[in-house]
Amino acid sequence: AQSVTQLDSQVPVFEEAPVELRCNYSSSVSVYLFWYVQYPNQGLQLLLKYLSGSTLVKGINGFEAEFNKSQTSFHLRKPSVHISDTAEYFCAVSMSDGNKLVFGAGTILRVKS
Amino acid sequence: DAGVTQSPTHLIKTRGQQVTLRCSPKSGHDTVSWYQQALGQGPQFIFQYYEEEERQRGNFPDRFSGHQFPNYSSELNVNALLLGDSALYLCASSLVPHVNTEAFFGQGTRLTVV
Repeated sequence: AQSVTQLDSQVPVFEEAPVELRCNYSSSVSVYLFWYVQYPNQGLQLLLKYLSGSTLVKGINGFEAEFNKSQTSFHLRKPSVHISDTAEYFCAVSMSDGNKLVFGAGTILRVKS
Repeated sequence: DAGVTQSPTHLIKTRGQQVTLRCSPKSGHDTVSWYQQALGQGPQFIFQYYEEEERQRGNFPDRFSGHQFPNYSSELNVNALLLGDSALYLCASSLVPHVNTEAFFGQGTRLTVV
């Protein structure tokens, strides 16, 4: 069975500082990886996804993530955060036979001025 | 182009009652998935509908059932509500149930069971 572990429940960071949100997954088969963002009282918005090819994936709003198969990780990074990046971020995996998503518990990113 | 729309946005029900939540997929999408997001947790997959049939199901009891209509809209029904069913219910739509197709999420229905 697939599972996703987001290692930090909350990450506080100052504005314009870099940030990394960590995600590890476990699966016995090939998986596809996603990061979603959820702003307060809203649904989920896709930030980026890894399906195949280059292990460095660039997404919206300046975010990027790197797929590391040997470490079963898919960490999300941004070199300089803004107040508007304050939100909850979810890492998710999907198997190749459909687009059912298995989500981690989420990481709340708090950007302070 | 309207995205995924869900109704109602908020709902309060009493334990033991039944509830129906509705979802209209993004224009052109034919696949609808439902997720339950309890407070402080990530969304959990309930089931997915494609071609008016339940295609995949997560680890939820039979009290949770659904339907997809010919226009691709979908309903989620929950019978015999428990306090633990209180959550944000998210609907996601996509163009065919394949991993290459992006799932677009609605804003959710906040269900409170008292």
